[in-house]
Amino acid sequence: KQEVTQIPAALSVPEGENLVLNCSFTDSAIYNLQWFRQDPGKGLTSLLLIQSSQREQTSGRLNASLDKSSGRSTLYIAASQPGDSATYLCAVNYNNDMRFGAGTRLTVKP
Amino acid sequence: GAVVSQHPSWVICKSGTSVKIECRSLDFQATTMFWYRQFPKQSLMLMATSNEGSKATYEQGVEKDKFLINHASLTLSTLTVTSAHPEDSSFYICSPFRGNTDTQYFGPGTRLTVL
Repeated sequence: KQEVTQIPAALSVPEGENLVLNCSFTDSAIYNLQWFRQDPGKGLTSLLLIQSSQREQTSGRLNASLDKSSGRSTLYIAASQPGDSATYLCAVNYNNDMRFGAGTRLTVKP
Repeated sequence: GAVVSQHPSWVICKSGTSVKIECRSLDFQATTMFWYRQFPKQSLMLMATSNEGSKATYEQGVEKDKFLINHASLTLSTLTVTSAHPEDSSFYICSPFRGNTDTQYFGPGTRLTVL
């Protein structure tokens, strides 16, 4: 069974802190892994896509890593800002069959 | 990134009525369309997959006669919730796909509330 787990479910940090969100998946035969951001009541915004052959991707203050062998991905957010407050979803693509984690709800306090 | 639109963005309807949600991929042709729903505080769950011109494939537990999907063209797919009930209240999101291991794009979602 292909399961995706995100830890922690919720995280609250003061502004300026660096933080790491975790995603684990049970089946390592993935095509790619994508991190999304979801604001309350809104759709998904794609943050980073990592192909199965890649180890990491960076975009601005965001860095995502992928370790297929251990079934893990992390999303690192540097110098967090209140505007980063949202739910972050990890999605694993298995041959066009996407499995989502339940998300980590991040709150960055001013 | 690709532009995907959904209409309406939100809808409130009475129990028993049918609601149609449109999803358009505005700058690429989608050979496949995924439809997801998200209940409050839960993750997205795939409802069905449709390929242009073919019947949709539904996930286990999703009633095909209740959630009618039409993917008549490469840029438009519709999801019709027939005889909606309060338990169908959810956030419905479409995701057009080009058929490669590229970034997955999602529509902005439609929030359905059935009274």
